[in-house]
Amino acid sequence: AQTVTQSQPEMSVQEAETVTLSCTYDTSENNYYLFWYKQPPSRQMILVIRQEAYKQQNATENRFSVNFQKAAKSFSLKISDSQLGDTAMYFCAFMKPYANLAYSGAGSYQLTFGKGTKLSVIP
Amino acid sequence: DSGVTQTPKHLITATGQRVTLRCSPRSGDLSVYWYQQSLDQGLQFLIQYYNGEERAKGNILERFSAQQFPDLHSELNLSSLELGDSALYFCASQGLAGNEQFFGPGTRLTVL
Repeated sequence: AQTVTQSQPEMSVQEAETVTLSCTYDTSENNYYLFWYKQPPSRQMILVIRQEAYKQQNATENRFSVNFQKAAKSFSLKISDSQLGDTAMYFCAFMKPYANLAYSGAGSYQLTFGKGTKLSVIP
Repeated sequence: DSGVTQTPKHLITATGQRVTLRCSPRSGDLSVYWYQQSLDQGLQFLIQYYNGEERAKGNILERFSAQQFPDLHSELNLSSLELGDSALYFCASQGLAGNEQFFGPGTRLTVL
């Protein structure tokens, strides 16, 4: 079974500064997906960024980027130019690999989540 | 807006009761996943349905059951409720074209 560990229960950052959230995972699989989800006070789960394990290039989405270290099983999230709206819980998640390279939605791809990191952006 | 709807938003009930949570996936998505978010256990996968059939089970209690109907909406049934069942219940839908799961707004269940 896969496990996902987020070792920082809470973090804070000054507005406009950069912060990095840590995530490690354990799996015996070679192909898989990793995600960061944001959960603001509204409780909605919002996908921030995803990373395919077979891609060496780190994913980037505007101010959000990841540092994916496959051998170390590490997947950290960097938020640049932090904004007040970034205040939220952040969850790292692991998705089981595809049965083959051609994705089939008929399979089972449940997410395994870490416990989350509560990020506060301070004005 | 993810395109996934869940009703009701809030539900307050008493121990021993039975409730039904409803989820409508995004148009065209055949897979529905149910997750439970509680203070004790965090976010946990409960069960998945694909095109009306149960596909996978996670940490779902025997008191809980689910089904997916021909119109692809899904219902999660929780019975003999206990205080510890108080949680936020999410459903998420997934299409064939990608790996992303789209989450609904959740149903907040409070068992008194």
